[in-house]
Amino acid sequence: LAKTTQPISMDSYEGQEVNITCSHNNIATNDYITWYQQFPSQGPRFIIQGYKTKVTNEVASLFIPADRKSSTLSLPRVSLSDTAVYYCLVGDVRDSSASKIIFGSGTRLSIRP
Amino acid sequence: GAVVSQHPSWVICKSGTSVKIECRSLDFQATTMFWYRQFPKQSLMLMATSNEGSKATYEQGVEKDKFLINHASLTLSTLTVTSAHPEDSSFYICSAILRGRDYEQYFGPGTRLTVT
Repeated sequence: LAKTTQPISMDSYEGQEVNITCSHNNIATNDYITWYQQFPSQGPRFIIQGYKTKVTNEVASLFIPADRKSSTLSLPRVSLSDTAVYYCLVGDVRDSSASKIIFGSGTRLSIRP
Repeated sequence: GAVVSQHPSWVICKSGTSVKIECRSLDFQATTMFWYRQFPKQSLMLMATSNEGSKATYEQGVEKDKFLINHASLTLSTLTVTSAHPEDSSFYICSAILRGRDYEQYFGPGTRLTVT
């Protein structure tokens, strides 16, 4: 199982770009990297997923270097509503018998006006 | 996107009683469902993996006789907390794997259980 390490917390201001980096040194060949956002008393919400290089969608970008031992979630122009906990997960949900999705501690992002 | 629902969203029960939580995939068939527990200010802890038509696989330290999981169909999994005690009070979250797009995991909104 690939363990992930993220900063416990981060602070930023509205309109700034926020980058959250996750380390996953023992990522396996078949593992994907997925980021989730969670608000208090809600289930996690899918943000973005990638395998290598760069992935971009309407809310974020995900940068993955060639060795895949880390990944960076980039949130452009954050707003107050982006205040949440962000989780980086590494695993291959296609093979649930061999790999389980284990949540790390997450990063508590606080956005200030 | 795919939707996973949970019912109830919150429940209060007395110590010693049993509580059932339902997890449904509303617009897709779920190959696999997971059950998590989350205590305040903590991360999600995986409790068990539920595959349709077979017995659930429990994580180490999770009592299978206390947390009964039934995955009777491709759209429904249930978690029953038997003989609940105050220490079982927590936020329970399920997730489902979308069949055909197996690398996407969708989470339910969670169920807040309070045992008095």
